[in-house]
Amino acid sequence: QVQLQESGPGLVKPSQTLSLTCTVSGGSISSGGYYWSWIRQHPGKGLEWIGYIYYSGSTYYNPSLKSRVTISVDTSKNQFSLKLSSVTAADTAVYYCARINTMFDAFDIWGQGTMVTVSS
Amino acid sequence: QSVLTQPPSASGTPGQRVTISCSGSSSNIGSNYVYWYQQLPGTAPKLLIYRNNQRPSGVPDRFSGSKSGTSASLAISGLRSEDEADYYCAAWDDSLSGNWVFGGGTKLTVL
Repeated sequence: QVQLQESGPGLVKPSQTLSLTCTVSGGSISSGGYYWSWIRQHPGKGLEWIGYIYYSGSTYYNPSLKSRVTISVDTSKNQFSLKLSSVTAADTAVYYCARINTMFDAFDIWGQGTMVTVSS
Repeated sequence: QSVLTQPPSASGTPGQRVTISCSGSSSNIGSNYVYWYQQLPGTAPKLLIYRNNQRPSGVPDRFSGSKSGTSASLAISGLRSEDEADYYCAAWDDSLSGNWVFGGGTKLTVL
């Protein structure tokens, strides 16, 4: 059973870079047919897709966040990561990593989420 | 402001059938599949419906999805207390260079 687990600082200062890692267990991140994604949820609000990466390293980002987002993959560690630069209070949210399964073309497995607060 | 529009709340009594609507446009629902996710309190979303009306293994057939034009609906029959959750619709949007978009969510209360 594939599981995802987010990790990273829960508090980031304004203008700094938010960095999170998602560790994949129970399966290989290099398995074809899956894209690895980040999604966030502002407090009490809906979901916002951030971007995804394939194990080969190809990426696709939400156009509204593209200028500040970098998603990378480390197949040797079975992990993928998110960097969001120049953060503001508006980036305070629960950040989820999730798997896109091309059998469903949907986010079929999610991490538990990690709360990131942007504050000085 | 979410790209897909859902009612903020819905309610029903145990055993009842409830529907949740999701309205979009030609660039998302009108030309792509619709997906539904269930988020129980304090947990991550869970895939409920994919490609408009397909259920992943393990999802009860009490849950069903449909799509017509630029709108979609999630129906829950035989409502149970454990169905109390937030429900989100999602679709790929072809505008700009493409983007996954979600509804604002509907909080379902089982009375």
